[in-house]
Amino acid sequence: EAGVAQSPRYKIIEKRQSVAFWCNPISGHATLYWYQQILGQGPKLLIQFQNNGVVDDSQLPKDRFSAERLKGVDSTLKIQPAKLEDSAVYLCASSQRTTNEKLFFGSGTQLSVL
Amino acid sequence: GIQVEQSPPDLILQEGANSTLRCNFSDSVNNLQWFHQNPWGQLINLFYIPSGTKQNGRLSATTVATERYSLLYISSSQTTDSGVYFCAVEPPAYSNYQLIWGAGTKLIIKP
Repeated sequence: EAGVAQSPRYKIIEKRQSVAFWCNPISGHATLYWYQQILGQGPKLLIQFQNNGVVDDSQLPKDRFSAERLKGVDSTLKIQPAKLEDSAVYLCASSQRTTNEKLFFGSGTQLSVL
Repeated sequence: GIQVEQSPPDLILQEGANSTLRCNFSDSVNNLQWFHQNPWGQLINLFYIPSGTKQNGRLSATTVATERYSLLYISSSQTTDSGVYFCAVEPPAYSNYQLIWGAGTKLIIKP
């Protein structure tokens, strides 16, 4: 069974530029999550989708971050414009049914904002 | 909101040693999961364990929901066990189901 796919693996941009991350969850998984992990900390949930609807985006900085999940499968997370404090690893995860059943993570995208 | 505390924060062991990692939570939870983040950043789900005991090879976990703690046991440690171990809990049904994560235990296994 294929795991959660993410790309790119690494990204370096300058502040005020825009960046996008892509995630393909495990086939059949209804719930998709985007997490931000700053070095030395646990993951922080940015947004959670159930199929193609948003369940929770309370911690998403909506002035600069946006996310969508077209047709309830793939998802993209965008940052525009990026700030220095956005430097982190962006993790995508998926689970099979509703809310927080066993989570499976992708390899993450390491973002450096210079 | 619910607090999740993990201990110890850091642990250094020789290969072959056994270890116990602890996760305390301040309120009742719907479920609890243990994760291992390897040195390359990959997060692997080890256990989904709202209560009781589960075993997977050299790893086992026990959650005592009534006393609000969970333990992760690693026996005969190997260098590949190095990394950060996180526990994450799901608050009760009336909340927004967001997982609350502990700060992690950083484990280093020396050869």
